[in-house]
Parts: sequence; C-alpha cells; structure tokens
Amino acid sequence: AQKVTQAQTEISVVEKEDVTLDCVYETRDTTYYLFWYKQPPSGELVFLIRRNSFDEQNEISGRYSWNFQKSTSSFNFTITASQVVDSAVYFCALSEEEGAQKLVFGQGTRLTINP
Amino acid sequence: DVKVTQSSRYLVKRTGEKVFLECVQDMDHENMFWYRQDPGLGLRLIYFSYDVKMKEKGDIPEGYSVSREKKERFSLILESASTNQTSMYLCASSLAIGTRDYEQYFGPGTRLTVT
Repeated sequence: AQKVTQAQTEISVVEKEDVTLDCVYETRDTTYYLFWYKQPPSGELVFLIRRNSFDEQNEISGRYSWNFQKSTSSFNFTITASQVVDSAVYFCALSEEEGAQKLVFGQGTRLTINP
Repeated sequence: DVKVTQSSRYLVKRTGEKVFLECVQDMDHENMFWYRQDPGLGLRLIYFSYDVKMKEKGDIPEGYSVSREKKERFSLILESASTNQTSMYLCASSLAIGTRDYEQYFGPGTRLTVT
C-alpha cells in the first residue's frame, strides 16, 4: 500500500533562514509520481512540483529546491532565505497512476516564517 | 488560468440534514475529485469522477455520494449529515490520463460544521 509521511507537524523559523521539509514515501510500484503542494491561509492548494520515479535529478526553482532520493524513499523540499509569504501548510503527495488519478497525501507540515 | 470554484466557503448544518456541496471548474477537465482535510490526517480522497455520470470510490466514501451530470460540475452529497463529517472539503480537477499536465487544481474549500 502506498503511504506518505511528513513527520514534521509544525516548523517555525525566522525570516531569511533556510528550512527543509521532509517527505518519506512508501510504494511497491517502480513507476510513481511525487508532488508538493502549498496551502496558504486562503485555503486553496497550489501545485509546486511533480516528479516521476525515473527522474532523480534535483530541481531548483528560485528559492525552492527539491531533493529526490529513491535510495531513502524521500522527496524533501528546501526553501532558501525564507520569507514571511512562505508561511503555509505544505503537502507532499504520491500517485502510483499516470495522470495522478488518485493522490495519497501526507499529513502536511505547517511552516511559519516569523519576521 | 484554471479556476475551480466551490459554492460556499463556510456552511453550518444540523445532524440528519441532507447537504450538497457544489464544485465547478472552467477548464474542460475530465477528472474531478472530492477530498476532506482534517488536522493530522492530511487530505483523504472521498470520490472521484473521470467522466460525466462516472464515479469511483476513494479511500473514505462511507456516508457520502456524488453526482456528475455535466462535465464542469461535481457535487458531493451527505445524505444524513453527522457530527463526524465536520471538516474542510476540497474539490479538485485535472486533465485526463495521457496528457502532459495532469496535476490537480484545487478549489478554495468549504468548511462544513455539523451541529
């Protein structure tokens, strides 16, 4: 069965600090897809990134970077030089089906960036 | 931009009432989804639909039903609301399998309180 674990329930840092959100997944499939979503206070989940299991390259997008390691079944998310606007709940998710028909979400990590 | 709208942001209903939650998307997406979000549990899939009049059970369908009579609209129905259905309900939509950009796009959520 597939499962996603985000062990960090809440993280609080001071602005400009770097912060890493952990995501560990379980799946028996060799083909799967991993996602990160951001949920700001407005409530609407915002898509951040999708990775398939055959692409282990790390990705960087501005201050955001993702580290995918199949050896440890992890897909961690790092925010560099955090800003107050990064405060949100972040979800990691897994799909074993192409097209992301069914996503399994982690519990979410609430990130608070203090000025 | 994809837009997913939900009929209400906040809803208060009494135990035993029949409750309808409506979701509309404007990007001609084939797939639509209903999740509930609870603290510490992340998002859990209730039902999804990959075509008009088609539906499939998610992980927690008990106590819920759905209706999809038109492609753009997906309704979640609580036949007899109970207090344990107090939660945040999120609707999402996505393109069909085989398309490149199949991430799910989310609505703002409906916070339902059953008293």
